[in-house]
Formats: sequence, structure tokens, C-alpha cells
Amino acid sequence: DVKVTQSSRYLVKRTGEKVFLECVQDMDHENMFWYRQDPGLGLRLIYFSYDVKMKEKGDIPEGYSVSREKKERFSLILESASTNQTSMYLCASSPLRTGGNSPLHFGNGTRLTVT
Amino acid sequence: AQTVTQSQPEMSVQEAETVTLSCTYDTSESDYYLFWYKQPPSRQMILVIRQEAYKQQNATENRFSVNFQKAAKSFSLKISDSQLGDAAMYFCAYTTSGTYKYIFGTGTRLKVLA
Repeated sequence: DVKVTQSSRYLVKRTGEKVFLECVQDMDHENMFWYRQDPGLGLRLIYFSYDVKMKEKGDIPEGYSVSREKKERFSLILESASTNQTSMYLCASSPLRTGGNSPLHFGNGTRLTVT
Repeated sequence: AQTVTQSQPEMSVQEAETVTLSCTYDTSESDYYLFWYKQPPSRQMILVIRQEAYKQQNATENRFSVNFQKAAKSFSLKISDSQLGDAAMYFCAYTTSGTYKYIFGTGTRLKVLA
């Protein structure tokens, strides 16, 4: 079974702090994703990476950046955390560049609170 | 633009009964895929079922089945013989074969009553 591991289940940070959310997958998947989940809004894509050092902006990239130095690891960075970034963050991976035949495999989420 | 709509924020079902969760979508594509994902309280999102648009036959996975109405752009999930472990958030999702992007609905919270 594919395992996608997010390093923190809960995180509390102060406004203005630089925050790192880490995600590791163990199945050599090419694609990795960061989603933000908010009640009533579903999942919204922040960033996507299809290879090492390659990234593409999703629907809500403002205030975030990402890093993929190794194939198995995809980090989400909040350069200067703000209270409106309080949310659930989900990491996912998939083996192929395009969807359909390669459903997403998710981590169990990081609930971030910014005070 | 493609959209996915789940109009039921919350549903309840008695244990052992059947429940149907609704999902509608809007697309001009002909080649696409639809999914139902389950997110239990543990928060790990799990794929429940997948439907390929070019297949007319409705997908089935044990107690889970879909009613895929392509012309109506409807993709509902039926859960038969509901169990306490089915209690979760359920998300409908859409993607096409030519993109990495998934579009998710807003979710339906299913409660299972003992």
C-alpha cells in the first residue's frame, strides 16, 4: 500500500512565523500535491509537483511556496504565516502525470492554527 | 469551467439501511473520470469508487455503487447496508485524462445512527 506521511498532525504557529509542512511518500510517485481543506469549500489545490525541482501553481498559491529536492519529499512553506492560513492541509501523491487512471493517495492531514 | 456540486452538506442513515449521496458536475469534456473519496475522523482520505465516463456500466465496490447519469451530469453514491464505520465526510471529485487537476465538491458529512 502507498504510504503518504505528513510530519505533523497538529501545528500551532504565530503570525509572521515561517512554517514548513513536510510530506513524504514511499511509492516512487512522480506527482505530489498540496491541498487546503476548509469547511464548505472542499479541497483546493495550492501547488503541484510532477518531478524533482518542478512545480506548478494551483488555484490558491498566494502566500505559499513549495520545495521538492527529492522525489519522495514535498514541502509546503508559509513564508509569513497569517491567521487566514489557519486550515487543514492535505498532501497527496499519484504515479502518473495526468489523472483518471492514477487516483490520488492522501496523507492524514496537518491541522495548522495560526494565532 | 468545470465544477462539482454536492448539495447535501449533511446526511443521516440508520445502521443497515441504504443512503444515496448526490453529486452533479459540469463539463464540456467527453473523456473524464469521477471519484468518490471518503474522509473518516482519522482524516485519511480514501478512494471509495471510480467511474470512467466512457463506460456506461455503473461502478460497484462491495456495498458501494454509483448511479452515473452522463447526460444529466449526475454521479450519486449509494451505500447499502450502512455500517457505523461508514460515518465520514464524502467528497465527489472530477478529473480529465489530460490534466493533473482534480476538482472536488464541498463534501457531504454522513452520520450513521445505531
